[in-house]
Amino acid sequence: SAVISQKPSRDICQRGTSLTIQCQVDSQVTMMFWYRQQPGQSLTLIATANQGSEATYESGFVIDKFPISRPNLTFSTLTVSNMSPEDSSIYLCSVRGVAGVTDTQYFGPGTRLTVL
Amino acid sequence: GQNIDQPTEMTATEGAIVQINCTYQTSGFNGLFWYQQHAGEAPTFLSYNVLDGLEEKGRFSSFLSRSKGYSYLLLKELQMKDSASYLCAVRPYGGYQKVTFGTGTKLQVIP
Repeated sequence: SAVISQKPSRDICQRGTSLTIQCQVDSQVTMMFWYRQQPGQSLTLIATANQGSEATYESGFVIDKFPISRPNLTFSTLTVSNMSPEDSSIYLCSVRGVAGVTDTQYFGPGTRLTVL
Repeated sequence: GQNIDQPTEMTATEGAIVQINCTYQTSGFNGLFWYQQHAGEAPTFLSYNVLDGLEEKGRFSSFLSRSKGYSYLLLKELQMKDSASYLCAVRPYGGYQKVTFGTGTKLQVIP
């Protein structure tokens, strides 16, 4: 398996500001994803982070609101821009393709975001 | 697209066996995941089924029938710490194979 860390683990932010969440993996992975999980709900895929190119966004999510970077095979960032209280959620980094095992998908510990 | 159905909640007794069902409809199928998620924590990988049949890992087993679009997670010798949400997720075939999650089954284990 992979060890995935996220920073920050939690934050409380003011409306209109932006927050960048970092995801670091201890080994190279093929794919990295960003999910959102709102209270009491299941996971919703925001986007797939592509190394060296623009992320692939799911319906309802746009780059201006959730810019994503992936400069290499072990690191990605998600920015939540111009935040509103509706963005309060847990944001999860997820990876697949660890050590050549293409199928298993793992999750980071998550970032709990509260927007006031 | 994919459509995944799981029961919302289940209750079972400590020491007993519980089966959590998942049905899915997908335009292409590669495999099915089960994850455990305790409240306030990230999902933890339990199993990934690609072929039909039962796979056993200690107290947890997962079954898949691709022809029926059906899977279940079987938990034996239930412990209080098994109280959690259990998420079924489907990985389609083709494309970049994004995984779609069901809404999860909240399992409560009672003494």
